[in-house]
Amino acid sequence: ILNVEQSPQSLHVQEGDSTNFTCSFPSSNFYALHWYRWETAKSPEALFVMTLNGDEKKKGRISATLNTKEGYSYLYIKGSQPEDSATYLCAFTGTASKLTFGTGTRLQVTL
Amino acid sequence: DTAVSQTPKYLVTQMGNDKSIKCEQNLGHDTMYWYKQDSKKFLKIMFSYNNKELIINETVPNRFSPKSPDKAHLNLHINSLELGDSAVYFCASSQRDRNIQYFGAGTRLSVL
Repeated sequence: ILNVEQSPQSLHVQEGDSTNFTCSFPSSNFYALHWYRWETAKSPEALFVMTLNGDEKKKGRISATLNTKEGYSYLYIKGSQPEDSATYLCAFTGTASKLTFGTGTRLQVTL
Repeated sequence: DTAVSQTPKYLVTQMGNDKSIKCEQNLGHDTMYWYKQDSKKFLKIMFSYNNKELIINETVPNRFSPKSPDKAHLNLHINSLELGDSAVYFCASSQRDRNIQYFGAGTRLSVL
């Protein structure tokens, strides 16, 4: 059984705050680490796919880093806005060709 | 145009019935998936097909049978529905297995 864990489970920040969450995953048989953004009543949307140790990806105010040797990835949001409110999922894929999702971090940004 | 579309969006049915959920993608992807979102909101892979061939089959009751008539479609047929089958089912596709996945809007199945 693969364990993909995310922390915190939920987070409540004020508009303008910067925040970050953690995804930890098995460090063996690593192929890729995905981050998805999932708004309520919608479907998950891909943010990043990272494959190399030390990878950093950025999309607007959101960025992510990857450490495959120790098995963790961080997602950062700079200057949070109410529209950033969503559940952020990470997913690990190894040699088995399937994505194993974490349980997500639920972010709520208030004015 | 919706890239990955699932029908129906809602499905309410009685225990013991047989039902199907359809999924179509117009992205030209090779690989399609079915996920179940469980009661803890956790997304779990059920099946994956690559070019109409089954490549992932997780421990799912054999009442669930996926069918891929072509690489743009992956339908999920469920026989003898049980209360515990109530969940949201998501279809997804990707260019190859392990690449970014694009999800449908989900089908909320309620078994009464």
